[in-house]
Amino acid sequence: DAGVIQSPRHEVTEMGQEVTLRCKPISGHDYLFWYRQTMMRGLELLIYFNNNVPIDDSGMPEDRFSAKMPNASFSTLKIQPSEPRDSAVYFCASSQRLGQKTYTGELFFGEGSRLTVL
Amino acid sequence: KNQVEQSPQSLIILEGKNCTLQCNYTVSPFSNLRWYKQDTGRGPVSLTIMTFSENTKSNGRYTATLDADTKQSSLHITASQLSDSASYICVVSFNQAGTALIFGKGTTLSVSS
Repeated sequence: DAGVIQSPRHEVTEMGQEVTLRCKPISGHDYLFWYRQTMMRGLELLIYFNNNVPIDDSGMPEDRFSAKMPNASFSTLKIQPSEPRDSAVYFCASSQRLGQKTYTGELFFGEGSRLTVL
Repeated sequence: KNQVEQSPQSLIILEGKNCTLQCNYTVSPFSNLRWYKQDTGRGPVSLTIMTFSENTKSNGRYTATLDADTKQSSLHITASQLSDSASYICVVSFNQAGTALIFGKGTTLSVSS
């Protein structure tokens, strides 16, 4: 498997523009997570899905942030409108369902999308 | 308050030397503790996952220890290599599914030749 795939790897945009980050989880994984990483705060959970259903979005900072998972192989994180304080690295991660025969509990991260909002 | 504290914040060692990174946590309830390695510009990669009953777990030159009584963990790196230069993140999970994680800020390790 190619692992968790994220795009774009880098995004530079101007304040007020819409930003869409994309993620393809590992095939067969039931959980998908969106994280944000900054120097000041480290890794923070924004939202996670189980079987394409959003379970906990309490980490989403504002209504400007939204996430969708229309099917088991694709998710998006959208910021509209973007602000300079949204500049960070956004990671997508996926994991197996507890109870699966091959379950290890391991969380697999993508390579991240580095967002810079000017 | 649920917290994961790591020390030192950064560390510089010579290639071939050993080092130990520390992690103290105040997370409750506790399910498991994870160590991740994050290379610059890359996503974190899992090194070890330890449950309450596990005291030691190894992954090649990486050995993690866990003392659930004192709520401390350490990551020992043996015979360091230049490729060990990275950030090492300690993560504590509330549940087995890994959907409730508390992340440390990480220790940045630089291995020089």
